[in-house]
Amino acid sequence: NAGVMQNPRHLVRRRGQEARLRCSPMKGHSHVYWYRQLPEEGLKFMVYLQKENIIDESGMPKERFSAEFPKEGPSILRIQQVVRGDSAAYFCASSFDRLAKNIQYFGAGTRLSVL
Amino acid sequence: DQQVKQNSPSLSVQEGRISILNCDYTNSMFDYFLWYKKYPAEGPTFLISISSIKDKNEDGRFTVFLNKSAKHLSLHIVPSQPGDSAVYFCAAIFNFGNEKLTFGTGTRLTIIP
Repeated sequence: NAGVMQNPRHLVRRRGQEARLRCSPMKGHSHVYWYRQLPEEGLKFMVYLQKENIIDESGMPKERFSAEFPKEGPSILRIQQVVRGDSAAYFCASSFDRLAKNIQYFGAGTRLSVL
Repeated sequence: DQQVKQNSPSLSVQEGRISILNCDYTNSMFDYFLWYKKYPAEGPTFLISISSIKDKNEDGRFTVFLNKSAKHLSLHIVPSQPGDSAVYFCAAIFNFGNEKLTFGTGTRLTIIP
C-alpha cells in the first residue's frame, strides 16, 4: 500500500523559470492538500483540492501559483516565474474523506531551490 | 499571526525518561489537534490526535493531554527511545468544514543514550 508519492524530490530552477511539483495521493484518497515549509518554520497551508475541484486556496499566493487535481493523474502545484523566495520544501498530504477529521498523510516533499 | 505556538525550539531528554512537548493555541475555534513527527528529508508522520471534547488520548508510549481553558496541549512520550529523536509538530483544525491544518513551528527532540 504505497503512501503519498511526490516527485521530484529535489528541483532546481533559475529565477524566471517554471516549477511543476507532482503529488499522487494514497490509494483510495480523494482529498489532496499542499503545504509549504520555509527554513526554520512550520508547515503553512496553501491549497485543498478534491478531484477536479479547488475547495480552499486561501493559503496560495495570489500570483504565479496554481494547483490542480485532474480526474486522472496526480495533483500538480505549478509555480510560474520562480523567485528566490519560493525556495522551500513543498509537502503534499492526502486524506480519505473530509468527514470525521480524517488524518492527513504526508509525502516526503519536494525541495525547491531557486538560483 | 502564529495561532499555534511551540515555544521550545529544542528539548533534550535522557533515554528511558519522559519527554514532554508543549503546544499553545490562541483560537478557541480549533476543535481537533494532532501531533506529527518529522525526520530530516522526510514528510511529517502522524502520531496521535485528540478531539476538543476529550482531555486525554493515549496510544502506546504516546499520550496527548488537552487543557481547553488554558488553550494548551502536551505530548508525553514515555519511556523515551533514541528513535524518538525528531522534530515534533503540533497542528490544529478549525470546526468541521475547514480542513486545513495549522501547524506550530516545531520542537526538535533529542534523546540522549
